Amino acid sequence: SQKIEQNSEALNIQEGKTATLTCNYTNYSPAYLQWYRQDPGRGPVFLLLIRENEKEKRKERLKVTFDTTLKQSLFHITASQPADSATYLCAPDTGRRALTFGSGTRLQVQP
Amino acid sequence: NAGVTQTPKFRVLKTGQSMTLLCAQDMNHEYMYWYRQDPGMGLRLIHYSVGEGTTAKGEVPDGYNVSRLKKQNFLLGLESAAPSQTSVYFCASSRQTGGTYSNQPQHFGDGTRLSIL
Repeated sequence: SQKIEQNSEALNIQEGKTATLTCNYTNYSPAYLQWYRQDPGRGPVFLLLIRENEKEKRKERLKVTFDTTLKQSLFHITASQPADSATYLCAPDTGRRALTFGSGTRLQVQP
Repeated sequence: NAGVTQTPKFRVLKTGQSMTLLCAQDMNHEYMYWYRQDPGMGLRLIHYSVGEGTTAKGEVPDGYNVSRLKKQNFLLGLESAAPSQTSVYFCASSRQTGGTYSNQPQHFGDGTRLSIL
């Protein structure tokens, strides 16, 4: 069956460092993969979409990679700030009529 | 810019009671979705709609019904609430695309926190 895995343990890093979050998927080949940010008590907010033929996508301090061989996407935040603290969700296309979301990884940036 | 608005924000029900959650979007999106989010389980799709007057089942549809009588509104109903339906419910919408449902961002409301005693 299709499976999406994100590290359930929180990632703690120091301000100014690069945060790297991982999204692994198994048993299928998504054509697209989306990343969202979710703050406590709020709904998810779209950040980036990457297509299977794009190895990398950037937006300001954010970078997403998509390795279809490893079946993995990496989400990077460079020069991280305490305001980047949130839960980050990946959502690979599963061929169904809606997105399927991973359970998310919580990022905590320490000042 | 209201985006996606969900009402109510909080609700406490007793087992067996019924209620309707309302979702409204002002972006003229074709697609709308209802998810539930439980600790450690991520977002799970309950029902969705690809246009006015159409609805379809998602991953966890049992115990819920939906209606999309107007393009801007998507209603989620609980006919007989059960404690297992205690959750945070999110509505989302997205634009229509040519042939796939996954290459457009989804816009989410801020959720309805529902407790069933």
